[in-house]
Amino acid sequence: EAQVTQNPRYLITVTGKKLTVTCSQNMNHEYMSWYRQDPGLGLRQIYYSMNVEVTDKGDVPEGYKVSRKEKRNFPLILESPSPNQTSLYFCASSLFPGLAGVEQFFGPGTRLTVL
Amino acid sequence: GENVEQHPSTLSVQEGDSAVIKCTYSDSASNYFPWYKQELGKRPQLIIDIRSNVGEKKDQRIAVTLNKTAKHFSLHITETQPEDSAVYFCAASSTDSNYQLIWGAGTKLIIKP
Repeated sequence: EAQVTQNPRYLITVTGKKLTVTCSQNMNHEYMSWYRQDPGLGLRQIYYSMNVEVTDKGDVPEGYKVSRKEKRNFPLILESPSPNQTSLYFCASSLFPGLAGVEQFFGPGTRLTVL
Repeated sequence: GENVEQHPSTLSVQEGDSAVIKCTYSDSASNYFPWYKQELGKRPQLIIDIRSNVGEKKDQRIAVTLNKTAKHFSLHITETQPEDSAVYFCAASSTDSNYQLIWGAGTKLIIKP
């Protein structure tokens, strides 16, 4: 089944404790992206990757890191989480970024709470 | 850079009536406009999209219209049903934004029985 998976789905952690949220897709997509979703703010892009070893900042990259060593995986790293990073996080992938008719497929989401 | 504004933030309609959600964008180079639906507790999913060379597109009960001159596009849902209750997001992308989707803040659509 074609899908985007994320782990963990739920995470409660404390300030400063490094964490990684994994994202994997099995559709051989070139493009992957991380978003955070907060009430009233919609989807805000954190980082994106056009291809292996190619990553770039989105609108809200501060406090986050990513890597793209393999085509299928795009982990999101929070080196020192803070309470303002409490949010719902979505990973997405598509064949190409934002081109007409190219659908972005989203993962199930990771709800992160930083105490 | 591109900015997408979406209105209203909440829309409540009677079952069977029509619903219209509007988005405006700032970048005249934007050329692709998708709409995503997010049901409660679920992930966003594409429901319809439109390219800048098309003025209107329909898919059963949903349609999207685009006015390039005014730089706005709208989602129309006719004969609304309970399963239409969700949050709807519009987005826009252009070559100037490196093809990244710029998202509206979302509209919560409530269908009243």
